[in-house]
Amino acid sequence: QVQLQESGPGLVKPSGTLSLTCAVSDGSITSDNWWSWVRQSPGKGLEWIGEIYHRGNTNYHPSLKSRVTISVDKSKNQFSLKLNSMTAADTAVYYCGRVPGGKGYFDFWGQGTLVTVSS
Amino acid sequence: EIVLTQSPGTLSLSPGERATLSCRASQSVSRSQLAWYQQKPGQAPRLLIYGASSRATGIPDRFSGSGSGTDFTLTISRLEPEDFAVYFCHQYGSSPGTFGQGTKVEIK
Repeated sequence: QVQLQESGPGLVKPSGTLSLTCAVSDGSITSDNWWSWVRQSPGKGLEWIGEIYHRGNTNYHPSLKSRVTISVDKSKNQFSLKLNSMTAADTAVYYCGRVPGGKGYFDFWGQGTLVTVSS
Repeated sequence: EIVLTQSPGTLSLSPGERATLSCRASQSVSRSQLAWYQQKPGQAPRLLIYGASSRATGIPDRFSGSGSGTDFTLTISRLEPEDFAVYFCHQYGSSPGTFGQGTKVEIK
């Protein structure tokens, strides 16, 4: 079954940019699925960030849209998240996930990576 | 966006008992596009139910989902030791998709 693995720095400075990558294994990122980012914090709970299809189509949460970019690298079978203008409110565990056939729910998740915003 | 409210916040039960978890939406969830996930400490959520009542691959039949419109229920017929965890509902019928705040099922 497909496996997802997040990678990236665990510490980001205030006003800095978060860059995370999600590597997909045992499955192709060009399959008929969407690929998504979700974060979880004690204060806000689980929050959907956005998603991408391998052709480059994206959807973003309206509250984050001005700060988020999700991209895909088919040659590396991975997709990425960039979130700029980070504040303490962005401190969370960030998960990547697969949305089967674009149906909206998440059937596979990465193990998550903790990102802390601090100077 | 649709707000999902889960109740109770914590459910204290013994192994073998039945667990009934509620998820109420602030407006009707389109086409019953509601999922349930289980999360254990330090782990990612795990999909249990999608489409309000369809079990995900490999999920035991003691887990069942029901409901439509604004009221949904996850039932665990007989709690096994590995079922003690936090459960989240998630609506994906309206964008942006949203999650409930979770119900913790703990050992009594």
